[in-house]
Order: sequence, then C-alpha cells, then structure tokens
Amino acid sequence: EVQLVESGGGLVQPGGSLRLSCAASGFTFSSYDMNWVRQAPGKGLEWVSYISSSGYTIYYADSVKGRFTISRDNAKKSLYLQMNSLRAEDTAVYYCARESQGIDYWGQGTLVTVSS
Amino acid sequence: SYELTQPLSVSVALGQTARITCGGNNIGSKNVHWYQQRPGQAPVLVIYRNTNRPSGIPERFSGSNSGNTATLTISRAQAGDEADYYCQVWASGTVVFGGGTKLTVL
Repeated sequence: EVQLVESGGGLVQPGGSLRLSCAASGFTFSSYDMNWVRQAPGKGLEWVSYISSSGYTIYYADSVKGRFTISRDNAKKSLYLQMNSLRAEDTAVYYCARESQGIDYWGQGTLVTVSS
Repeated sequence: SYELTQPLSVSVALGQTARITCGGNNIGSKNVHWYQQRPGQAPVLVIYRNTNRPSGIPERFSGSNSGNTATLTISRAQAGDEADYYCQVWASGTVVFGGGTKLTVL
C-alpha cells in the first residue's frame, strides 16, 4: 500500500524557518517524481514545488521561489521542503504528493501556521 | 502565467448528471487531471489525462477535453459525490490548479 506521511509542521513566527519531511512507503520511491502542494484554510489547492525522481529537475511556484527548497533522499525514501523567510500567507496544510500521470497519491498533510 | 477557470459552484439533483467545466487557453492541447476533495480529506485523483479513470473510481465519472474547455461529468450523482473538484494541468514547468468547484447534490 502506498503511503506518504508528512511531518514537521507547526507554529512559527513570521520570518522564521521550518523543514517539512515526507516519508514514503509501499512503492519504489526513487522511480517517481514528487510534489509539494498546499492549501490555505478555506482555500483551493496551490502547487508549491516539484522534484524529478533523480532530483536533478526542480521547479517552484513564483510565490515561494528563493525562499523554499525542495530536496529528496532516495536512499531514505524521503522528500523534504525547507521553508525560510516564512510569511503569514504561507499558512496552509502542506501535502506531499506523488506525480504519475496526474498526482495519484497524496499524504494527509501537515499544518504550517505562520503567526506572531 | 497559465490560468484555469472553474465555476465556484455547481448543483445537481440526486441521480442526475453534473458537469463541471475547466477553462483555459487551448486547454485541449494539454493533459487535464481532475481531483475530488471531500471536507477534511486529502484530494483524490478521479480522472487523469483527460478521459482516464484510476482503478477504484466509478464509471459514473468521465472526462473530456477540447478547444478551450475541459469537462468533468458525473452521471447518476450520489450524495457521496458532494465535494470540491479541481482541474489541473502542467504549463511551462509549473503545475496549475483551477480554483475549484463545490458540487452540491440536492
């Protein structure tokens, strides 16, 4: 069974940093591209970042470019999102999501709240 | 940047057919994916590459894509279909989601 389990969310002050992790199981992690997608409270889905299976190709949404860094460790079957210079508008549930002809598997999400 | 436009809400009577549209410039040339999100839950892929259903998705769900509009069709709507629905494409190295449509089953 495919499982994606996010961790690392929490309350952080504006300007602070947070690192999200996503532990993958039930599939060959190194063979799949991955995404981070977020959803602000009561709002729609917003794509954050993409990383190819090898880690060599990376894309970011304009809203996070220069502040967030996506990475992966295929040996540990883990995906990461380093978030710096956090703003109130970054408050959202962050989903780890597997890319395969659409996003075919999603984690349950981890809540990031940016507030003083 | 590429934009996808969805109606904010669609209503359908129980047992009837609901159609949710997703508008975008020449979207017919792109692969469109559709997601269902029930309250408090993660999204679920219901249609991929315009017309394909993942395993476990009922045949009542179907998709089409042509010109400037992609459409998700839900036949014989059930109470359990009440949810938010999002379309999604890849455009110029970014993933783009539509704003989402709230489906209400009356």
